[in-house]
Amino acid sequence: GIQVEQSPPDLILQEGANSTLRCNFSDSVNNLQWFHQNPWGQLINLFYIPSGTKQNGRLSATTVATERYSLLYISSSQTTDSGVYFCAVRGGGSNYKLTFGKGTLLTVNP
Amino acid sequence: NAGVTQTPKFQVLKTGQSMTLQCAQDMNHNSMYWYRQDPGMGLRLIYYSASEGTTDKGEVPNGYNVSRLNKREFSLRLESAAPSQTSVYFCASPPAAPRYYGQYFGPGTRLTVT
Repeated sequence: GIQVEQSPPDLILQEGANSTLRCNFSDSVNNLQWFHQNPWGQLINLFYIPSGTKQNGRLSATTVATERYSLLYISSSQTTDSGVYFCAVRGGGSNYKLTFGKGTLLTVNP
Repeated sequence: NAGVTQTPKFQVLKTGQSMTLQCAQDMNHNSMYWYRQDPGMGLRLIYYSASEGTTDKGEVPNGYNVSRLNKREFSLRLESAAPSQTSVYFCASPPAAPRYYGQYFGPGTRLTVT
């Protein structure tokens, strides 16, 4: 099946810093999503981005499907950005199954 | 509009006991999913239901059964719980067009099997 690797596994920032999280995948995809899991365990959808670039406030994401990677940018980080960021993809042969990466644990210190 | 709800939020079982995790969505979505999340891992798909009346295995189905009771409800059953099933369980339901709304998750059920 499709493999998803996220880097870095852990990231510690000071409030106000910028960061880039990366997601590499092993095969072509027709669905790629970024999620944030807050410290209370709630999973929140951030972006649906199988290709191209999207922005939502201080967050933006870019997927280069031909090179099989996606980047999540967080600018001017805040303590509320802390948590785990997951990338999940669906390969072309699967209608329903999303494969998740292991996530990046982000800690933003005040 | 509650989105995706799950019950219970927490549960402790002894090895060999059985239980059913309940999930319901009020968004009129066709698809529903059950995932488990273990420490340091992403979510792994246990079972999914593409539409009412259909269910299919995901990556880690062993030890679980599911029922798509109607369009709203999708339950996950552990017939004989094992310590390896200690995990956090999430139910999810994507709309037909995820490009607009992504995937909605329930709040999770934290299960401990002793």
